[in-house]
Amino acid sequence: QKEVEQNSGPLSVPEGAIASLNCTYSDRGSQSFFWYRQYSGKSPELIMFIYSNGDKEDGRFTAQLNKASQYVSLLIRDSQPSDSATYLCAVKAGNRDDKIIFGKGTRLHILP
Amino acid sequence: ETGVTQTPRHLVMGMTNKKSLKCEQHLGHNAMYWYKQSAKKPLELMFVYNFKEQTENNSVPSRFSPECPNSSHLFLHLHTLQPEDSALYLCASSQGYSYTIYFGEGSWLTVV
Repeated sequence: QKEVEQNSGPLSVPEGAIASLNCTYSDRGSQSFFWYRQYSGKSPELIMFIYSNGDKEDGRFTAQLNKASQYVSLLIRDSQPSDSATYLCAVKAGNRDDKIIFGKGTRLHILP
Repeated sequence: ETGVTQTPRHLVMGMTNKKSLKCEQHLGHNAMYWYKQSAKKPLELMFVYNFKEQTENNSVPSRFSPECPNSSHLFLHLHTLQPEDSALYLCASSQGYSYTIYFGEGSWLTVV
């Protein structure tokens, strides 16, 4: 069974520091990787997606993908209290009919 | 404003009631999804419609009945629900099956 694993947290990070969120996946054939942010009581919101090994940067967010080690991470630089949320990792295998599988999410708390 | 709108946002229903959740997407997408999110559980995919055809039904109890009259609208008909069905029900859409998924704001369902 294809799985996506995340540490549930909470992960507490001081304001202004770098928050590092990690995700591992079991299907070596996975091709597409997504990070969603979900505030309490709200729906998930897409932050970034990444397809290729290496880093992808968007503002304060950097997604890092390492297919050989089967992990994807999200770095948040200069963390703000407004970054406090649950971050969901989602993974899609390479086959056209494979569905996107979500992890349980990591709860991030930025300490003011 | 999200491109995927859900109504109602909150619903309280008795176990003998019949109600429906409605979803509409304004993104020109071809695939629509229903997810269930319970406390401390990962997102559970319930149903997928691709070009109005149901392509996935993840062993969902028959008390949940989806309907997709066209690519822009999706319904979830509810009848004789159980208290454990209380959850956040998320509608989502994507350009194609298992492309990047965009969520609506969700419908909070409480079964009493």
